[in-house]
Amino acid sequence: KAGVTQTPRYLIKTRGQQVTLSCSPISGHRSVSWYQQTPGQGLQFLFEYFSETQRNKGNFPGRFSGRQFSNSRSEMNVSTLELGDSALYLCASSFSPGTAYEQYFGPGTRLTVT
Amino acid sequence: AQSVAQPEDQVNVAEGNPLTVKCTYSVSGNPYLFWYVQYPNRGLQFLLKYITGDNLVKGSYGFEAEFNKSQTSFHLKKPSALVSDSALYFCAVRDTDRDDKIIFGKGTRLHILP
Repeated sequence: KAGVTQTPRYLIKTRGQQVTLSCSPISGHRSVSWYQQTPGQGLQFLFEYFSETQRNKGNFPGRFSGRQFSNSRSEMNVSTLELGDSALYLCASSFSPGTAYEQYFGPGTRLTVT
Repeated sequence: AQSVAQPEDQVNVAEGNPLTVKCTYSVSGNPYLFWYVQYPNRGLQFLLKYITGDNLVKGSYGFEAEFNKSQTSFHLKKPSALVSDSALYFCAVRDTDRDDKIIFGKGTRLHILP
């Protein structure tokens, strides 16, 4: 079974631009979560989607948004990029949300904002 | 508010010695607890979880963790460390009585010295 895939793996953007990251969950998994990982803040929860609906949202500004499609694939968008948005963005999928199911993580997208 | 703490940024252990990576948590309800490991330039991999039942949980690669409700701890352990265990370890908690958001600790870097 293929794992969680994220595209692109690396991205360099300029301050003020916007970016869209993509995540394909493991086949059969319907829950997708996004995290931002930085050396100083560790792993911070962005949002969680299930059945095309956002179930939970972390404490990030409205510039961060996401969506989930009917095939469970998910995208996250960051508008008006800031230097502080440079981070590793991780996507994780699980069979079902809000339960004891563990999450399976993708390799991440490394975003650098200059 | 729910939280999880990993009090040590880094742990150094000699190969062959037992290792412990500490984790304490705070939730208002019942916790689901998880340990994940991250190798360089990779996403997180699931190691083990505590949901209910036996306080000693066994996981991948010979790791185990002990749930202690009175001390609100979930320390990760391994009887004999391998150099290949060197990685970044994350503890995570999901409060099943609240909004089910999963919170990660800041991570502990484990160095196994040959």
